[in-house]
Formats: sequence, C-alpha cells, structure tokens
Amino acid sequence: KQEVTQIPAALSVPEGENLVLNCSFTDSAIYNLQWFRQDPGKGLTSLLLIQSSQREQTSGRLNASLDKSSGRSTLYIAASQPGDSATYLCAVKVGRGSTLGRLYFGRGTQLTVWP
Amino acid sequence: SQTIHQWPATLVQPVGSPLSLECTVEGTSNPNLYWYRQAAGRGLQLLFYSVGIGQISSEVPQNLSASRPQDRQFILSSKKLLLSDSGFYLCAWSIQDNEQFFGPGTRLTVL
Repeated sequence: KQEVTQIPAALSVPEGENLVLNCSFTDSAIYNLQWFRQDPGKGLTSLLLIQSSQREQTSGRLNASLDKSSGRSTLYIAASQPGDSATYLCAVKVGRGSTLGRLYFGRGTQLTVWP
Repeated sequence: SQTIHQWPATLVQPVGSPLSLECTVEGTSNPNLYWYRQAAGRGLQLLFYSVGIGQISSEVPQNLSASRPQDRQFILSSKKLLLSDSGFYLCAWSIQDNEQFFGPGTRLTVL
C-alpha cells in the first residue's frame, strides 16, 4: 500500500524567506505526483502536476521536483508572502493495479508566513 | 473552462437521518469523478470513484453509497447517518488519469 509522508507538519516563517516542503512516498511505481494548496474550510487548489517521466515543474514562485527512484518530492517556494499561508498537500497517483487513478495523500504541511 | 460545484456548502444533520450530497461538473465530458472525505486530524480518504455513468467503485466499506445518474453528476448518499460520518466531503474530477481538480467541499456535522 502506498504511504505518503510530509515533513514538516507545520512551518512558520517571516515574509521573504525561501521555503522547502518535503514529501516522501513508499512505492516508486507512481503515475504522477500532484501538489495542492488548501485554505481553511476550502477545497483543494492544484498547484503543480509532475508526470513520472519528469523531474520538475515550475509555476511562478513555485518549483516542484520529483526523484521517483528515492520516493521523494520537494516543493520550493521562493520569496514567501503572507498570502502563501495555507496547508500544502502532496498526492501521488499509483500506476498499476485495479486502483489506477487513485490519489494517495499526505497529511500536509501547514505553512504560516508572517509579515 | 471547467468548473465543479458542490452543494450544500454546510449541513448539520441528526444521527439516523438520510444524506444526499451533490456534485456537478461543467465544461467537460466523460470525466472521472471522485468523492473524498477529510476528517479532523486525518488525511484525505478516497470514498468512491467513477469512470462513467452507473460505474461506481468503492474504496472502503462504510455507511455511504454513491451514484452517477448523469455524465457530470455525482451523488453521495446515506440512509442513516452515524456520528463518524462527520467531516469535510470533497468532490473531484479528472480527464482519465490526469490532474485532479477539486470542488469547494461540503462540511457535514452529524449530531
């Protein structure tokens, strides 16, 4: 069974810092990996999708990397802003078996960026 | 562009009452549809997914059921709610096995 772990569980930083959020998964046979943002009481917003054949994806101040062989992904946030405060979730999609298409989620990193 | 709607946004129900949550997707055809639950202190749990009308797969045994009466409509139901059914219910869609997009969610409190 795929297990996804996110470290740290919570992070509090001053505005302007560059951040790294970590995600690890136990089964490297993934189809893709997706990073989401969740604001309190809201749904999930997709930030970046990395296919299993890719090593990184970038969107604005966000950069996500994928090392499938070691079962790791990182989300890099440059020049953090208070508006980045949210919970960040990592999810992997398995690439085999009857549950093709299922996302396995980590428990998230709760980020607070203070002015 | 595609949009996904969920209603109601919040719901407070007594134990033993029935439940019906609705999810609809606009702007796409033949999406894969998913129901997730996010309980306090726990991660997101996949409850059901559907690859087409009338095709429902259940991930975990539980007090809930799902139906897909139309291509872009996904319904989550229960005949008798339990306290443990409380949580934040999220609907999502994707085209085949690509990026998943989530709805705004329904907060269910069972008293």
